[in-house]
Amino acid sequence: EVQLVESGGGLVKPGGSLRLSCAASGFTFNSYSMNWVRQAPGKGLEWVSSISSSSESIYYADSVRGRFTISRDDAKNSLFLQLNSLRAEDTGVYYCARDPSIISGWSYYFDYWGQGALVTVSS
Amino acid sequence: QMTQSPSTLSASIGDRVTITCRASESISHWLAWYQQKPGKAPNLLIYKASNLYSGVPSRFSGSGSGTEFTLTISSLQPDDVATYYCQQYNSYSWMFGQGTKVEIK
Repeated sequence: EVQLVESGGGLVKPGGSLRLSCAASGFTFNSYSMNWVRQAPGKGLEWVSSISSSSESIYYADSVRGRFTISRDDAKNSLFLQLNSLRAEDTGVYYCARDPSIISGWSYYFDYWGQGALVTVSS
Repeated sequence: QMTQSPSTLSASIGDRVTITCRASESISHWLAWYQQKPGKAPNLLIYKASNLYSGVPSRFSGSGSGTEFTLTISSLQPDDVATYYCQQYNSYSWMFGQGTKVEIK
């Protein structure tokens, strides 16, 4: 069974940093591109970042580029998101999600999602 | 940009329900639909515009290509109460629609 479990969320002051982790199991993690998607309280979904299976290709939303860094450790079946220079508008639930393609690298949608990690940026 | 409509929808059990997403430029068939219930992660319904994801009831269907796409629920059921999102891919950027909240009348 595919499982994605996020951790590392919490309360942080504006300007602070946080590192989110996503532990993957039930599939060959190193074969799949992975993604982060967030959702502000009571709002819609927002794509944050994506990383290819080889880490060769990395993409960011304009709203986080230069502040957030996505990475992965295939030996530990883990995906990470380093959040720096946090702002109040970064508050929300952060989901890791899998891209289902294992051949071409990308299918450009998300078939499995974690339960989310809550990040609250407030003084 | 993605424009999803309506933002809310109220229909009766058994009604046919349609949600529309419009892209500002052609995205070919790179569009997916998700269902999200309160406090839960989204669930994939449709991928590549018209492909039903495994395990999703057949009352859900997707259509469209280029810039206009629709999600149809052929016969609304109580379990379909949720918020629905479209999601596009274009030029190394993924984007979600604003969401459509579906309620029972």
